[in-house]
Amino acid sequence: KQEVTQIPAALSVPEGENLVLNCSFTDSAIYNLQWFRQDPGKGLTSLLLIQSSQREQTSGRLNASLDKSSGRSTLYIAASQPGDSATYLCAVSDNFGNEKLTFGTGTRLTIIP
Amino acid sequence: EAGVAQSPRYKIIEKRQSVAFWCNPISGHATLYWYQQILGQGPKLLIQFQNNGVVDDSQLPKDRFSAERLKGVDSTLKIQPAKLEDSAVYLCASSLGKGYTEAFFGQGTRLTVV
Repeated sequence: KQEVTQIPAALSVPEGENLVLNCSFTDSAIYNLQWFRQDPGKGLTSLLLIQSSQREQTSGRLNASLDKSSGRSTLYIAASQPGDSATYLCAVSDNFGNEKLTFGTGTRLTIIP
Repeated sequence: EAGVAQSPRYKIIEKRQSVAFWCNPISGHATLYWYQQILGQGPKLLIQFQNNGVVDDSQLPKDRFSAERLKGVDSTLKIQPAKLEDSAVYLCASSLGKGYTEAFFGQGTRLTVV
């Protein structure tokens, strides 16, 4: 059974700093990995999708990397802003055709102005 | 492009009552998911449809939860009877399917059972 872990559960950093969020998964036989953002009381917003054959994806100030063999992914946020404050969740899709997403418990990020 | 629509946004019911949630996925998306997110936890898959067929319902408490997807488009999730531990946010998501699994989520329905 796939298990996804995100550490730390919460993180506070001053505005302007670069930061890294971590995601690990127990079964390396994944099809892809997706990072989401969740604001309080809201649904999930997709940030980046990395296929299992890829090593990284970039969107603006966000960069996600994937090391499938070690079961790890990181989300790098450059030049953090107060608007980046949210909970960040990673999810893995196990098999082609199954498409079931297994989520971590998330990292609650607070950017201090 | 319209996103995933869910209703209602909020619902408060007493235990043992029944409740239903509705989801309209993004047009053309074959895969539809219902997730349950308890406060402080990551979303847990309840049921996954591919068109109008069930792909995975292994974590759906079938004694009280049911879901259907009529004509492979809209979906409803029902709880009958509700328990206190069903208090959670119920999220609907959809994806194109066919191996392209970027999932898009609705705003969710926050259920409180008192």
